[in-house]
Amino acid sequence: DAGVTQSPTHLIKTRGQQVTLRCSPKSGHDTVSWYQQALGQGPQFIFQYYEEEERQRGNFPDRFSGHQFPNYSSELNVNALLLGDSALYLCASSPGEDYGYTFGSGTRLTVV
Amino acid sequence: EDQVTQSPEALRLQEGESSSLNCSYTVSGLRGLFWYRQDPGKGPEFLFTLYSAGEEKEKERLKATLTKKESFLHITAPKPEDSATYLCAVLYGNNRLAFGKGNQVVVIP
Repeated sequence: DAGVTQSPTHLIKTRGQQVTLRCSPKSGHDTVSWYQQALGQGPQFIFQYYEEEERQRGNFPDRFSGHQFPNYSSELNVNALLLGDSALYLCASSPGEDYGYTFGSGTRLTVV
Repeated sequence: EDQVTQSPEALRLQEGESSSLNCSYTVSGLRGLFWYRQDPGKGPEFLFTLYSAGEEKEKERLKATLTKKESFLHITAPKPEDSATYLCAVLYGNNRLAFGKGNQVVVIP
């Protein structure tokens, strides 16, 4: 049973560019959340998608946007990249409220 | 302000030396508390979910407990393979998950 799959695993971008990260949730999971994890810190909530709608959002600027597709997969888009956007981006899925979240291995984004 | 605080930030243990990690939280309307293990460069791996004060869960050398304001992760007779960062997260409000910064554990053979 495949867990949460994220692509790509590593990415290097130049300041000012745009990036798209992708996530396929675990089979049977319909809720997808995205997190940013800086080195030595805990994951910070970016936003959550359910039924193709953004259900809630953390304290991240509008440069961070997302999408969920009918098959529950999701994308995270970041525009006008800053050096401070360098981090591990994690996708997590769950089968509904109050259940444990399954995380992917993450995408390591480096902005130079 | 921090909603989830984990202590100690870092811990070095001799193999077999039992210890406990603490996670305190200030959110209201707690719906669940999760413990995850994270290895360097990897995503968090789910360990336990606790829903109500007094609840306990065990898995191999790990045991998690929950009170009204904090949770403990007890590591009994740890082995080097237990070296990892342990993350605590609370589910509250409208299905929002907030993480602490983690407890970095190193077990020395």
